[in-house]
Amino acid sequence: DAGITQSPRHKVTETGTPVTLRCHQTENHRYMYWYRQDPGHGLRLIHYSYGVKDTDKGEVSDGYSVSRSKTEDFLLTLESATSSQTSVYFCAIGEGGGMAEQFFGPGTRLTVL
Amino acid sequence: GENVEQHPSTLSVQEGDSAVIKCTYSDSASNYFPWYKQELGKGPQLIIDIRSNVGEKKDQRIAVTLNKTAKHFSLHITETQPEDSAVYFCAASAEGGADGLTFGKGTHLIIQP
Repeated sequence: DAGITQSPRHKVTETGTPVTLRCHQTENHRYMYWYRQDPGHGLRLIHYSYGVKDTDKGEVSDGYSVSRSKTEDFLLTLESATSSQTSVYFCAIGEGGGMAEQFFGPGTRLTVL
Repeated sequence: GENVEQHPSTLSVQEGDSAVIKCTYSDSASNYFPWYKQELGKGPQLIIDIRSNVGEKKDQRIAVTLNKTAKHFSLHITETQPEDSAVYFCAASAEGGADGLTFGKGTHLIIQP
């Protein structure tokens, strides 16, 4: 998985609780991305980062925030989890700019009860 | 924004036959078109990609073709093998994917023995 780890790999939580997912890379890539995967929707971009402290919104950013304080770590936070955020979350990394490949992590399966 | 349509949603072929998956995109500014393979319980894996300045690219048994005028691109797998069974996703991006990829909804490829 191209030097990408995600933690936790599985999580079950209650509606209304905060949740933070972590993505860690050892490739020193500039760009990092969070996607969610749901049946019938493929993968959809939540947020991405193009450098330390530089982030931007994707297609489905409502209800999510991100932070990147170090090159290697990209955190995704659900401030108050809802059942509609039950999904599989994938982190990806890439060099960015000039048509560069993105490589995906193993995913985190999140269930919000 | 970009919209990517992918067909078919399920494709069943006999082992040894060829498989073709087709995608169309809407944004004429898109210039990068990767294909990913996803096995059950794993993250998507990049298998081949094509840039807008190229019409065709081949890597052993897989090939991708791009028709910029018609805004469609296709994945061709020849001499299919059981290990080709998986879900395949196409994606598109302008700016080389730096601001994220827009994915199709996926094709479940089944190789019949």
